[in-house]
Amino acid sequence: EVQLLESGGELVQPGGSLRLSCAASGFTFSGYAMTWVRQAPGKGLEWVSAISGTGGSTYYADSVKGRFTISRDNSKNTLYLQMNSLTAEDTAVYYCAKFQANWGIAFDIWGQGTMVTVSS
Amino acid sequence: EIVLTQSPATLSLSPGERATLSCRASQSVTTYLAWYQQKPGQAPRLLIYDASNRATGIPARFSGSGSGTDFTLTISSLEPEDFAVYYCQQRSNWPITFGQGTRLEIQ
Repeated sequence: EVQLLESGGELVQPGGSLRLSCAASGFTFSGYAMTWVRQAPGKGLEWVSAISGTGGSTYYADSVKGRFTISRDNSKNTLYLQMNSLTAEDTAVYYCAKFQANWGIAFDIWGQGTMVTVSS
Repeated sequence: EIVLTQSPATLSLSPGERATLSCRASQSVTTYLAWYQQKPGQAPRLLIYDASNRATGIPARFSGSGSGTDFTLTISSLEPEDFAVYYCQQRSNWPITFGQGTRLEIQ
């Protein structure tokens, strides 16, 4: 079964850092680009970042550029999101998702999400 | 950045009725557009990709159409489980963007 399982979300103070992980199973992880999408409480979906199958190409939303870093370890079938200089505006459920192809149009598999709360 | 505008914001219909949801892009995305369904407390689910292709396991009552800047998601006959929030998403240009969503509610 194709599955994504996020972890690492927690309560963190403004200005703090957090690393999210997404463990993948059931498919050839290195063959697919991966992405992070977030959803603030009661709000819509916001794309955050994406990374190619090899990890050689990365993209970021302007709202997180310079603060967040996406990476992957294909030997561990795991995707990461390093988040620094967190603000209240980063409070959201963070989903990892798999592109349909290495750089497909859509995200066909999603994790269940992990909640990040930035508050003092 | 390509802005996706969905309309209406809320659509109130009854089971068995036809639903038509719109997504308009601020510039052409050719057919690099997808549709998702999200229910409360759940992750989004891919319905349509490449504007008109149904994802695996999606019922035939869901269909997508359009190209360029104007897109439509149609649900031919609403089932009770179809009442949810629907998002469009483009992958034509970076950054990837989502529409603000259409809430489909039971009338």
